[in-house]
Amino acid sequence: GQQLNQSPQSMFIQEGEDVSMNCTSSSIFNTWLWYKQDPGEGPVLLIALYKAGELTSNGRLTAQFGITRKDSFLNISASIPSDVGIYFCAGLISNFGNEKLTFGTGTRLTIIP
Amino acid sequence: NAGVTQTPKFQVLKTGQSMTLQCAQDMNHEYMSWYRQDPGMGLRLIHYSVGAGITDQGEVPNGYNVSRSTTEDFPLRLLSAAPSQTSVYFCASRIVPGGQPQHFGDGTRLSIL
Repeated sequence: GQQLNQSPQSMFIQEGEDVSMNCTSSSIFNTWLWYKQDPGEGPVLLIALYKAGELTSNGRLTAQFGITRKDSFLNISASIPSDVGIYFCAGLISNFGNEKLTFGTGTRLTIIP
Repeated sequence: NAGVTQTPKFQVLKTGQSMTLQCAQDMNHEYMSWYRQDPGMGLRLIHYSVGAGITDQGEVPNGYNVSRSTTEDFPLRLLSAAPSQTSVYFCASRIVPGGQPQHFGDGTRLSIL
């Protein structure tokens, strides 16, 4: 099955730094989603993007739906310790009630003390 | 605010044993799905259901069965467990297909020896 290309696979940053990660695909999507997963828990939705070009913020998080509908990025500003975790992008394509949600392979964020 | 509840949280099985992973949601969501999460693979869809009495296969359905007799419950059955099914399993739900993004449970970590 198709997997989204998510990069980077891992990041090691210092507290206070900004973070940027992205997902690309060879297919177009109707919706882009960004999730965060903490150890031992399920993914939690951070941001949902529904239109090409859309730029949406949620606190220190900002995400954009690429114009081509084949990519998306997530930025985190001024990182804090609770930002540690794995971030997943997901692309949704839906047609006439049928849909397919494809997840990226994740970006593991670690904050160095 | 229970959301999506998965049981058990951990399970160890021997090859060939059968088991049912339980998933229940109290949000009256029509759409429910099962994913497996393996290292470096993101989340992959196993089976999904768009409503009571309706189920369909996802990306990796082999070795798994599902049923949807009520809106609330969506159990996942392994009829004869294999080591390749060692994974973390997540159940998710949302109101309608293509609607608001999914709510995930906290996962079931399954090991097959």
